[in-house]
Amino acid sequence: GAGVSQSPSNKVTEKGKDVELRCDPISGHTALYWYRQSLGQGLEFLIYFQGNSAPDKSGLPSDRFSAERTGGSVSTLTIQRTQQEDSAVYLCASSLRDGGINEQFFGPGTRLTVL
Amino acid sequence: RKEVEQDPGPFNVPEGATVAFNCTYSNSASQSFFWYRQDCRKEPKLLMSVYSSGNEDGRFTAQLNRASQYISLLIRDSKLSDSATYLCVVRSGGYQKVTFGIGTKLQVIP
Repeated sequence: GAGVSQSPSNKVTEKGKDVELRCDPISGHTALYWYRQSLGQGLEFLIYFQGNSAPDKSGLPSDRFSAERTGGSVSTLTIQRTQQEDSAVYLCASSLRDGGINEQFFGPGTRLTVL
Repeated sequence: RKEVEQDPGPFNVPEGATVAFNCTYSNSASQSFFWYRQDCRKEPKLLMSVYSSGNEDGRFTAQLNRASQYISLLIRDSKLSDSATYLCVVRSGGYQKVTFGIGTKLQVIP
């Protein structure tokens, strides 16, 4: 079946511009995560959605970052007034349900470059 | 201290060798543990979960030591295709937020 998809795969933008990154999770997966990975670094947690519960936004690095998940499915990560340090690969993952040992399935990521 | 710590390597080992990685975690209340594999410029994929009693999947063995707060991954008879970065993942709390380690890079040499 279809896996997690993300778009665009690559995004080059100028400093100060806003960008929107999209994630389509696996159908039926109630949990959705956003991470970012800078070159040579580990995955940095950004935000987590679980069903209709309030999202865990504890990983968002600044108020320039926001995310929403509409209808419990597609999610959009928005970065306003991008800075060069925002350059990274942004990864989305989904998993079947809350609790237990539930595998996170990752999308291919969006490589963001801020010039 | 980081929540999850790994030696970033790289570990360069010859084909057929046995190699082991450790990962330490700081939260003693951590509940679930995993190893993910990430190939260069690819997304991470689950390699195996780590159970309290330890578990084995073919050439791969994962173990958990709660007293010393570390998990380990042992790879026997290394193959060239094992070359990747191995990410240690720890879940704490009653929901699905997990913390990834920086990853240990393995390079298997012919």
